[in-house]
Amino acid sequence: GDSVTQMEGPVTLSEEAFLTINCTYTATGYPSLFWYVQYPGEGLQLLLKATKADDKGSNKGFEATYRKETTSFHLEKGSVQVSDSAVYFCALSGGSTLGRLYFGRGTQLTVWP
Amino acid sequence: DTAVSQTPKYLVTQMGNDKSIKCEQNLGHDTMYWYKQDSKKFLKIMFSYNNKELIINETVPNRFSPKSPDKAHLNLHINSLELGDSAVYFCASSQDQASGRAWGTDTQYFGPGTRLTVL
Repeated sequence: GDSVTQMEGPVTLSEEAFLTINCTYTATGYPSLFWYVQYPGEGLQLLLKATKADDKGSNKGFEATYRKETTSFHLEKGSVQVSDSAVYFCALSGGSTLGRLYFGRGTQLTVWP
Repeated sequence: DTAVSQTPKYLVTQMGNDKSIKCEQNLGHDTMYWYKQDSKKFLKIMFSYNNKELIINETVPNRFSPKSPDKAHLNLHINSLELGDSAVYFCASSQDQASGRAWGTDTQYFGPGTRLTVL
């Protein structure tokens, strides 16, 4: 079945450091890929998405490229801020089973000033 | 103005009680979902409704019963609450057929969550 594996946290960085959170997936068909972010005490917000191979999603300085050959969708940001501290979830939908998001286990990011 | 709203935000109750969580979306979407987030932050789908019709019903105890009175609302009723039901429950919605995309492929937008604590 469909599944998402993402890098275990927690990840702790200093402000302005480079961020990578790895995400790989297993799916049949042509899934869409997403990164969601959950700030402390809040719900999930869509950060970015890509719907087909080689698409790059970007938002708020974050980027991720849909790589079908490596089944990956790694999240990157060139210079993190304290306000980026949150839990990041990689997810896919539209693979073998429609209508549901399969989530990775989440990666806690803490950025220190 | 909130796109997907849930009430209540916090719910503390005793084991054995019956409780409901309400969800409303004002995005005009035709599909709504319930997800459960456990204490380790893992998220898993519970139910999905498309145009008031139950589409997805995961392996969830039948103490959980979703109800969709109309396309904009999806409520979750839980009977005989157990300690293991303690979690954060998220409602979500997506546009799907209304946007012309195949059902189940459009972006899902989440509510703020309801933290349920069973004592």
